[in-house]
Parts: sequence; structure tokens; C-alpha cells
Amino acid sequence: SAVISQKPSRDICQRGTSLTIQCQVDSQVTMMFWYRQQPGQSLTLIATANQGSEATYESGFVIDKFPISRPNLTFSTLTVSNMSPEDSSIYLCSVVGTGIEQYFGPGTRLTVT
Amino acid sequence: DQQVKQNSPSLSVQEGRISILNCDYTNSMFDYFLWYKKYPAEGPTFLISISSIKDKNEDGRFTVFLNKSAKHLSLHIVPSQPGDSAVYFCAASAGNNNDMRFGAGTRLTVKP
Repeated sequence: SAVISQKPSRDICQRGTSLTIQCQVDSQVTMMFWYRQQPGQSLTLIATANQGSEATYESGFVIDKFPISRPNLTFSTLTVSNMSPEDSSIYLCSVVGTGIEQYFGPGTRLTVT
Repeated sequence: DQQVKQNSPSLSVQEGRISILNCDYTNSMFDYFLWYKKYPAEGPTFLISISSIKDKNEDGRFTVFLNKSAKHLSLHIVPSQPGDSAVYFCAASAGNNNDMRFGAGTRLTVKP
């Protein structure tokens, strides 16, 4: 399985500001995803980060709020823009393994005050 | 929409006994099911999976059972160990890698 790191591991941010989360993988991967886990809830897919093209967003998520970059096959960023307390969540990146299973990074715990 | 449901938010079992975690789904198009384990401050870790063409898959102490007619799957851990204490997520996919739906998780506590 791939080794995935995320930065920062946690942050406390003020309402109205933006935070960029980085995801680094130790090998080249085709498919990379960004998830959100709100308190007490399941993991929800935000978008698929596509290398060389715009990310594919799930229903309820838009590029203006969650811009994503994927400059190469080992790295991606997710920005949470114009944050509100409702954005307080754990944000996770994941990659696809050899089968259909996904492997997750350690997550970024975001608190918006 | 809650296509994958884990109705028990928590489960407590004694060390050495069997832990049974349950999961229900509503989408009949799901054809691949997975279980993940999550420790605090870590990302979910893939545990075991099962294809819809099977009704059982076993890996050491972990066995997943699938009942397609009931749209139900379960994860059995036997014998349970204190290190198994974690949150367990059930996930389902409709054959597309980016169409994976997760349950809300069940917190398992294994008491020594």
C-alpha cells in the first residue's frame, strides 16, 4: 500500500479565511480523492483530483469553495475557502490500491471559530 | 442519502469473545463491499473486502459475510483483542473506484 502524508495535521482557523491542505504520496498514483468527515458522520467524497485537468466534484461541492490542484501523480492540494464553522471537519485524501480498496492519509482536523 | 447504514454507533465486547459489526445498504447496484478500521488521529485503514459474487471472505481473525437478498453484511472478529478497539466503517462501491459510500461507523471497545 502507498504511504500518504498530509499537512497540516490540524489547524484552528478564523471564519472567512482559507486553508490549503497538502497530500503527498510516496508513489505515482492515478486516482486520488478528497473526503470530508464531519463530527459523528460518515466519510463523504468531495471530489476526485485529476492530474492535468480540473477536479471532478460530487453533488453539493463546488470548485469555488473547495479548489483542488493536482500538479503531478504524487501530490494534491485541497483549499477550504471562506471558511465557516460548518466546515469544521476532518479532511482526508486517499488513493486507490491494487484492487478497488482505497488507502487514506492520516487526515487534517480543521476547526473554524 | 444514507445508502450505507451502520445502525449501532458503539459495541463493547470482552477480550476473547466474538465481535459482530453490522452494516445495511439500500443500493442494489453495489457490487463490492469493504471494511475499514480507524484509530484516533489516523486515517481509515483498509481491513477486508468482499465481492457481491461471494457470501463470505475470511482473513485471519476477520470474516465478512454478505447477504445480498437482505442487503446486509457483517464483520466478525474472533477472538477479539483489546488492540481491535477502534471505529469500524463499512463501505460499498458500485464498481467505480470513486463511487464509494461509507457508513457512519461503529465504535468497538474490547475490554481486557
